[in-house]
Order: sequence, then structure tokens, then C-alpha cells
Amino acid sequence: SQKIEQNSEALNIQEGKTATLTCNYTNYSPAYLQWYRQDPGRGPVFLLLIRENEKEKRKERLKVTFDTTLKQSLFHITASQPADSATYLCASQGSLNRDDKIIFGKGTRLHILP
Amino acid sequence: GAGVSQTPSNKVTEKGKYVELRCDPISGHTALYWYRQSLGQGPEFLIYFQGTGAADDSGLPNDRFFAVRPEGSVSTLKIQRTERGDSAVYLCASSPGKVSPLHFGNGTRLTVT
Repeated sequence: SQKIEQNSEALNIQEGKTATLTCNYTNYSPAYLQWYRQDPGRGPVFLLLIRENEKEKRKERLKVTFDTTLKQSLFHITASQPADSATYLCASQGSLNRDDKIIFGKGTRLHILP
Repeated sequence: GAGVSQTPSNKVTEKGKYVELRCDPISGHTALYWYRQSLGQGPEFLIYFQGTGAADDSGLPNDRFFAVRPEGSVSTLKIQRTERGDSAVYLCASSPGKVSPLHFGNGTRLTVT
């Protein structure tokens, strides 16, 4: 079955440094990957989407990469700030032709230390 | 504009009771998803609709769970004979179409006592 795995349950990063989060997928080839941010008591909020034919996408301090050989996406936050502390979720859909459901990883809790 | 609205925000019910959870998606969004999220876990897929029809209901845990979207807008997730293991946050999301982000509500926290 399709699986998304995220790197670790919690990641502590010093303020100002770059935070890098990992998302690995197995048993399928997603047409695209999405990254979401979730704060406690709230629903996830969309951040970035990257398609299988794109290597990299940027938005302000955020960057996401998609490596179909490694079956992996990396999510980077540069110049991290305490306000970036949250849980970050990776999500994907399988083949667009099959109109597959969107599934999520367990998420990585990121703590930016002042 | 208005986002995805879920009601109630909290629901406490006794084991064995029936509950209904409501989701009002963003107007015009054709896709609607239901997820369940337990503490420390990611959203677990339950069912999704394209328009009025369920495109994929493979995530519903058993036949106590059922969802409808009769007019292609509002959706209701129905849980019969609730069990303590059903306690979780139930999230709803809508999307305008393929290759589009999901817009989530803030969820309904269901507690079965």
C-alpha cells in the first residue's frame, strides 16, 4: 500500500539556522507532493506544492525539493524563527488518472529555539 | 472570504450513541475530504467526495461510519454506536479540483465517554 514517512517526530533547531524536514514515500509514484503546517487545535494550512517534473519550489523563506530517484522530498525553512514552530505535514496523491485520495504522513514537530 | 466550517467544534457523547458531524466547504469546491486525527498522528484518510458521489470511501473503519453529501456542498459524517476508540479530531477539507491544495476546517473534537 502507499506510504508516506516523515523523518522524525520532533526536531529542535536554533533560531536563525535552516530547518530541514524529510518526507519519504514507498510503493507508488506520486504526481505531486504538498507540504502543510499545523498549529495545535487548528486544521492544517497549505504551504507549498511540487510536481513530479519539478526539482525545486520556493516561497519566501521556504524551499521544497522533489527527488523521484530517492523517492524523497525535503522541506527547508531558512533563517528560522520561533514563530515557525509547528507540526509540518507532507501529503501526496497518486496517479491523477486514478483520481487517488490524498494521504498524509505523521508529521514532524519543529521547535525553533530562541 | 469564508473558509471551511465544521460544527460542532466539540462533541462529547456516551458510548453507544449516534453522532453527526457537519462540514460546510468553501463555495464552489467540488472535492470534499474527511480525515481523522489522533494526538501526535497525521490526518488519517476516511472518505472523499467529488460532487455528490463518494469517489473513495476506503478509509472508513467499519460500517458504523457513513458520510453523505447530497447536494454536492455540505457534508455530514455519521457515526453509529460510538465507541471510545472513535475519540479523535475529525477534520474536513475542500478543494476546487485536481492538483489543488486542501483547505481545512479546524475540526470537530469528538470525545466518547
